[in-house]
Amino acid sequence: KAGVTQTPRYLIKTRGQQVTLSCSPISGHRSVSWYQQTPGQGLQFLFEYFSETQRNKGNFPGRFSGRQFSNSRSEMNVSTLELGDSALYLCASSLGPQGALYEQYFGPGTRLTVT
Amino acid sequence: GIQVEQSPPDLILQEGANSTLRCNFSDSVNNLQWFHQNPWGQLINLFYIPSGTKQNGRLSATTVATERYSLLYISSSQTTDSGVYFCAVVITQGGSEKLVFGKGTKLTVNP
Repeated sequence: KAGVTQTPRYLIKTRGQQVTLSCSPISGHRSVSWYQQTPGQGLQFLFEYFSETQRNKGNFPGRFSGRQFSNSRSEMNVSTLELGDSALYLCASSLGPQGALYEQYFGPGTRLTVT
Repeated sequence: GIQVEQSPPDLILQEGANSTLRCNFSDSVNNLQWFHQNPWGQLINLFYIPSGTKQNGRLSATTVATERYSLLYISSSQTTDSGVYFCAVVITQGGSEKLVFGKGTKLTVNP
Protein backbone atom coordinates (compact mmCIF):
# COMPACT_ATOMS: atom_id res chain seq x y z
CA LYS A 1 0.00 0.00 0.00
CA ALA A 2 1.43 3.36 -0.98
CA GLY A 3 2.26 5.81 1.77
CA VAL A 4 1.27 9.43 2.18
CA THR A 5 2.48 11.53 -0.73
CA GLN A 6 3.08 15.26 -0.78
CA THR A 7 3.76 17.57 -3.69
CA PRO A 8 5.82 19.47 -4.40
CA ARG A 9 8.75 18.36 -2.26
CA TYR A 10 10.57 21.67 -2.46
CA LEU A 11 9.32 25.14 -3.16
CA ILE A 12 10.87 28.60 -3.25
CA LYS A 13 8.53 31.57 -3.16
CA THR A 14 8.87 35.32 -2.75
CA ARG A 15 7.38 37.26 0.14
CA GLY A 16 3.83 38.32 -0.65
CA GLN A 17 3.09 35.43 -2.98
CA GLN A 18 0.73 32.58 -2.21
CA VAL A 19 1.38 28.85 -2.29
CA THR A 20 -0.66 25.66 -2.47
CA LEU A 21 0.62 22.35 -1.13
CA SER A 22 -0.97 18.99 -1.84
CA CYS A 23 -1.31 15.80 0.18
CA SER A 24 -2.65 12.41 -0.85
CA PRO A 25 -3.39 10.13 2.11
CA ILE A 26 -2.93 6.40 2.36
CA SER A 27 -5.69 4.61 0.50
CA GLY A 28 -8.68 4.16 2.80
CA HIS A 29 -7.60 6.89 5.22
CA ARG A 30 -10.16 9.63 5.57
CA SER A 31 -8.54 11.98 8.08
CA VAL A 32 -5.78 14.35 6.98
CA SER A 33 -3.83 16.63 9.30
CA TRP A 34 -1.23 19.26 8.54
CA TYR A 35 1.74 20.27 10.68
CA GLN A 36 4.39 22.97 10.36
CA GLN A 37 7.95 22.33 11.49
CA THR A 38 10.40 25.16 12.12
CA PRO A 39 13.68 25.19 14.07
CA GLY A 40 12.28 27.69 16.55
CA GLN A 41 8.76 26.39 17.17
CA GLY A 42 9.19 22.70 16.45
CA LEU A 43 6.24 20.72 15.13
CA GLN A 44 2.94 22.54 15.39
CA PHE A 45 -0.57 21.45 14.42
CA LEU A 46 -2.19 23.46 11.62
CA PHE A 47 -5.53 21.78 10.92
CA GLU A 48 -7.34 18.48 10.47
CA TYR A 49 -9.90 17.46 7.88
CA PHE A 50 -12.32 14.56 7.78
CA SER A 51 -15.00 14.01 5.16
CA GLU A 52 -14.25 17.36 3.54
CA THR A 53 -14.85 19.20 6.85
CA GLN A 54 -12.27 21.03 8.90
CA ARG A 55 -12.67 19.59 12.37
CA ASN A 56 -9.85 21.34 14.18
CA LYS A 57 -7.53 24.25 13.62
CA GLY A 58 -4.33 25.25 15.33
CA ASN A 59 -3.23 28.69 16.39
CA PHE A 60 -2.24 30.07 13.01
CA PRO A 61 -3.38 33.24 11.21
CA GLY A 62 -6.14 33.19 8.65
CA ARG A 63 -3.54 33.28 5.85
CA PHE A 64 -3.29 29.54 6.40
CA SER A 65 -6.22 27.62 4.99
CA GLY A 66 -6.97 24.21 3.65
CA ARG A 67 -9.53 21.95 2.15
CA GLN A 68 -10.23 18.30 1.58
CA PHE A 69 -11.74 16.73 -1.50
CA SER A 70 -14.19 13.86 -1.76
CA ASN A 71 -11.33 11.43 -2.46
CA SER A 72 -9.72 12.52 0.85
CA ARG A 73 -6.86 14.35 -0.88
CA SER A 74 -6.11 17.62 0.84
CA GLU A 75 -4.55 20.93 -0.05
CA MET A 76 -3.30 23.72 2.15
CA ASN A 77 -2.86 27.28 1.02
CA VAL A 78 -0.77 30.06 2.47
CA SER A 79 -1.52 33.54 1.18
CA THR A 80 0.64 36.66 1.43
CA LEU A 81 3.72 34.69 2.33
CA GLU A 82 6.04 36.00 5.03
CA LEU A 83 9.67 35.09 5.67
CA GLY A 84 8.58 33.29 8.84
CA ASP A 85 6.47 30.88 6.81
CA SER A 86 9.64 29.15 5.67
CA ALA A 87 9.26 25.67 7.12
CA LEU A 88 8.80 21.99 6.49
CA TYR A 89 5.09 21.29 6.04
CA LEU A 90 4.08 17.77 6.92
CA CYS A 91 0.85 16.02 6.15
CA ALA A 92 -0.42 13.02 8.10
CA SER A 93 -3.25 10.64 7.44
CA SER A 94 -5.18 8.24 9.62
CA LEU A 95 -8.24 6.08 9.36
CA GLY A 96 -10.44 8.54 11.22
CA PRO A 97 -13.09 9.61 12.10
CA GLN A 98 -11.42 10.21 15.41
CA GLY A 99 -8.36 11.74 13.81
CA ALA A 100 -5.26 11.20 15.86
CA LEU A 101 -6.82 8.52 18.03
CA TYR A 102 -5.82 6.30 15.17
CA GLU A 103 -2.15 5.93 14.33
CA GLN A 104 -0.94 8.84 12.23
CA TYR A 105 1.27 8.27 9.18
CA PHE A 106 3.29 11.14 7.79
CA GLY A 107 4.31 12.07 4.28
CA PRO A 108 7.82 13.18 3.27
CA GLY A 109 6.94 16.85 3.64
CA THR A 110 7.16 19.97 1.50
CA ARG A 111 10.06 22.25 2.28
CA LEU A 112 8.98 25.83 1.64
CA THR A 113 11.51 28.65 1.46
CA VAL A 114 10.26 32.22 1.36
CA THR A 115 12.76 34.82 0.14
CA GLY B 1 -2.02 23.60 27.20
CA ILE B 2 -0.31 20.28 27.64
CA GLN B 3 3.47 20.25 27.91
CA VAL B 4 5.54 17.47 26.35
CA GLU B 5 9.15 17.33 27.47
CA GLN B 6 11.78 15.06 26.00
CA SER B 7 15.15 14.29 27.47
CA PRO B 8 17.97 14.41 26.81
CA PRO B 9 17.87 17.01 24.03
CA ASP B 10 21.09 15.64 22.53
CA LEU B 11 22.73 12.26 22.81
CA ILE B 12 25.98 11.04 21.28
CA LEU B 13 26.76 7.33 21.30
CA GLN B 14 29.31 4.93 19.96
CA GLU B 15 27.98 2.23 17.71
CA GLY B 16 26.83 -0.73 19.77
CA ALA B 17 25.83 1.25 22.84
CA ASN B 18 22.35 1.23 24.39
CA SER B 19 20.25 4.29 25.18
CA THR B 20 17.01 5.38 26.82
CA LEU B 21 15.01 8.39 25.67
CA ARG B 22 12.34 9.83 27.93
CA CYS B 23 9.08 11.67 27.26
CA ASN B 24 7.15 13.35 30.08
CA PHE B 25 3.73 14.89 29.59
CA SER B 26 1.85 17.22 31.90
CA ASP B 27 -1.72 15.95 31.55
CA SER B 28 -3.65 12.82 30.69
CA VAL B 29 -3.56 11.88 27.03
CA ASN B 30 -5.57 9.68 24.71
CA ASN B 31 -2.58 8.07 23.06
CA LEU B 32 1.11 8.43 22.32
CA GLN B 33 3.36 7.86 19.31
CA TRP B 34 7.14 7.75 18.87
CA PHE B 35 8.68 8.85 15.58
CA HIS B 36 12.14 8.94 14.06
CA GLN B 37 12.79 11.84 11.72
CA ASN B 38 15.29 10.93 9.06
CA PRO B 39 17.79 13.41 7.57
CA TRP B 40 15.36 14.19 4.74
CA GLY B 41 12.65 15.24 7.18
CA GLN B 42 10.26 12.35 7.00
CA LEU B 43 8.71 11.14 10.24
CA ILE B 44 8.93 7.37 10.48
CA ASN B 45 6.49 5.62 12.80
CA LEU B 46 8.19 3.67 15.54
CA PHE B 47 5.50 2.93 18.11
CA TYR B 48 1.85 3.67 18.73
CA ILE B 49 1.70 3.01 22.44
CA PRO B 50 -1.00 4.38 24.76
CA SER B 51 0.17 2.12 27.58
CA GLY B 52 2.28 -0.93 28.26
CA THR B 53 5.37 -2.14 26.45
CA LYS B 54 6.03 -2.92 22.80
CA GLN B 55 9.13 -4.21 21.06
CA ASN B 56 10.26 -4.04 17.46
CA GLY B 57 13.69 -5.49 16.84
CA ARG B 58 16.32 -3.45 18.67
CA LEU B 59 13.77 -0.86 19.73
CA SER B 60 11.23 -1.05 22.50
CA ALA B 61 8.93 1.43 24.19
CA THR B 62 7.09 1.63 27.47
CA THR B 63 4.31 4.05 28.36
CA VAL B 64 3.07 4.49 31.93
CA ALA B 65 0.05 6.70 31.34
CA THR B 66 -0.87 6.98 35.00
CA GLU B 67 2.55 8.47 35.72
CA ARG B 68 2.59 10.50 32.50
CA TYR B 69 5.77 9.30 30.88
CA SER B 70 7.03 7.10 28.09
CA LEU B 71 10.45 5.61 27.42
CA LEU B 72 12.09 4.58 24.16
CA TYR B 73 14.92 2.06 24.39
CA ILE B 74 17.45 1.60 21.62
CA SER B 75 19.80 -1.33 21.99
CA SER B 76 23.01 -2.07 20.08
CA SER B 77 22.76 1.27 18.30
CA GLN B 78 23.80 1.61 14.66
CA THR B 79 24.84 4.66 12.67
CA THR B 80 21.54 4.46 10.82
CA ASP B 81 19.75 5.16 14.11
CA SER B 82 21.04 8.72 13.97
CA GLY B 83 18.40 11.41 13.65
CA VAL B 84 15.80 13.11 15.79
CA TYR B 85 13.35 11.10 17.87
CA PHE B 86 10.01 12.69 18.64
CA CYS B 87 7.37 11.78 21.14
CA ALA B 88 3.85 12.98 20.32
CA VAL B 89 0.81 12.76 22.54
CA VAL B 90 -2.79 12.72 21.36
CA ILE B 91 -5.16 15.19 22.97
CA THR B 92 -8.77 16.10 22.32
CA GLN B 93 -9.31 19.75 21.56
CA GLY B 94 -11.92 21.65 19.62
CA GLY B 95 -14.01 18.57 18.99
CA SER B 96 -11.31 16.42 17.48
CA GLU B 97 -7.92 15.02 18.25
CA LYS B 98 -4.45 16.28 17.42
CA LEU B 99 -0.84 15.42 18.05
CA VAL B 100 1.25 17.58 20.36
CA PHE B 101 4.96 17.01 19.85
CA GLY B 102 7.92 17.30 22.15
CA LYS B 103 11.02 19.13 20.95
CA GLY B 104 12.80 15.88 20.19
CA THR B 105 16.02 14.12 21.12
CA LYS B 106 18.80 14.42 18.57
CA LEU B 107 20.74 11.16 18.49
CA THR B 108 24.14 10.85 16.88
CA VAL B 109 25.67 7.38 16.61
CA ASN B 110 29.36 7.40 15.71
CA PRO B 111 31.09 4.42 14.06
